[in-house]
Amino acid sequence: QVTLKESGPVLVKPTETLTLTCTVSGFSLSNARMGVSWIRQPPGKALEWLAHIFSNDEKSYSTSLKSRLTISKDTSKSQVVLTMTNMDPVDTATYYCARAQEYCSGGSCYSRGYFDYWGQGTLVTVSS
Amino acid sequence: EIVLTQSPATLSLSPGERATLSCRASQSVSSYLAWYQQKPGQAPRLLIYDASNRATGIPARFSGSGSGTDFTLTISSLEPEDFAVYYCQQRSNWPPKYTFGQGTKLEIK
Repeated sequence: QVTLKESGPVLVKPTETLTLTCTVSGFSLSNARMGVSWIRQPPGKALEWLAHIFSNDEKSYSTSLKSRLTISKDTSKSQVVLTMTNMDPVDTATYYCARAQEYCSGGSCYSRGYFDYWGQGTLVTVSS
Repeated sequence: EIVLTQSPATLSLSPGERATLSCRASQSVSSYLAWYQQKPGQAPRLLIYDASNRATGIPARFSGSGSGTDFTLTISSLEPEDFAVYYCQQRSNWPPKYTFGQGTKLEIK
């Protein structure tokens, strides 16, 4: 059974750094065909993709937030970690992690382009 | 970056009716288009991937079509549990990035 679960602080102060952890089970992060993204959703608003880490450890970031984001993984712990610096009240949102399968061709691997499993999400509020 | 525009923003229909939701991309995304359903307080659920393939366990009343820049999600006969918000999503090949549409709220008329 595939599961993803987000964890981290529920409240952060403006200018602080947010660190979120996604713990996965039912699949391996060291498997050559699985990547994980972080996606957020402000209350009442649409989904926004933030960052993705591929099975080969390649990373991709939202253009608008790239300077504030870092994604990494610890395969031994089955965890994907997202850090976001300089938090602001507009960053208040539910943060999700989600899995994207990959395919490999010609020596490179690519995302299949969709998220088949999601975590339940964790609400992070930014307030002083 | 590719922008996805969904229409309408809100769709009011009755159970048993047919729902047609649209997603338009600012440039071609080939068939790399997915649809998700989200109910209040829940994470999104994958419905359709690669424009027209139903995800595991998704009822046959859900279907997707389109390629290039214009895509459609059709629900052939609405069930009470189908009233929710629907998002489309694409991924660009290189650099690898993902984009969501702004959502269509399907509400009971």
